[in-house]
Amino acid sequence: DIQMTQSPSTLSASVGDRVTITCRASQSISSWLAWYQQKPGKAPKLLIYKASSLESGVPSRFSGSGSGTEFTLTISSLQPDDFATYYCQQYNSYLGTFGQGTKVEIK
Amino acid sequence: EVQLLESGGGLVQPGGSLRLSCAASGFTFSSYAMSWVRQAPGKGLEWVSAISGSGGSTYYADSVKGRFTISRDNSKNTLYLQMNSLRAEDTAVYYCAKGPAGGGVIADMDVWGQGTTVTVSS
Repeated sequence: DIQMTQSPSTLSASVGDRVTITCRASQSISSWLAWYQQKPGKAPKLLIYKASSLESGVPSRFSGSGSGTEFTLTISSLQPDDFATYYCQQYNSYLGTFGQGTKVEIK
Repeated sequence: EVQLLESGGGLVQPGGSLRLSCAASGFTFSSYAMSWVRQAPGKGLEWVSAISGSGGSTYYADSVKGRFTISRDNSKNTLYLQMNSLRAEDTAVYYCAKGPAGGGVIADMDVWGQGTTVTVSS
């Protein structure tokens, strides 16, 4: 089975900071990777699909990159609404594995 | 507006059964793969199961294989998850989610329901 590892697990940042979250796959998943944002008590929200495609309605400060086994989610200028937990998900195999999550906290 | 509404959660004893439902509206239900994802209290997301638009292909996480069954009724625009032999570790919020247009059965999920809570405890 493909394992997904996110880093860091927690990130402390300030409004306006550039933030980068990394997701590594245990084997190549081509570009079959999505990123989600989840706020407490709410359902996840799709941000990025196919590693770098921005979901409709998602602000352009969010971007994704990578292929194969290493991927990044970048928030170019962190906004107050962006403090949340972020998850990557691979969908290259017959299982849709999530990473363990990265919590972005206020510094 | 595309909407997913889960129901059927509740308190069940270990070894018991429960059937979750997810009512879909605002899109051509039969054209899209659907998935179930769960989240245990204070934990991350766990992909559980997925089904093709026709219902002909199904996939399961190892943790639920043989105990859970995903199905759909396209005439009723409803997705189901039959959960048998429930364990304490199945306690979670269960979300249904819609796959993208033209995507595979296992894919990113662009619309999510609000979730329904399942608690397995004696």
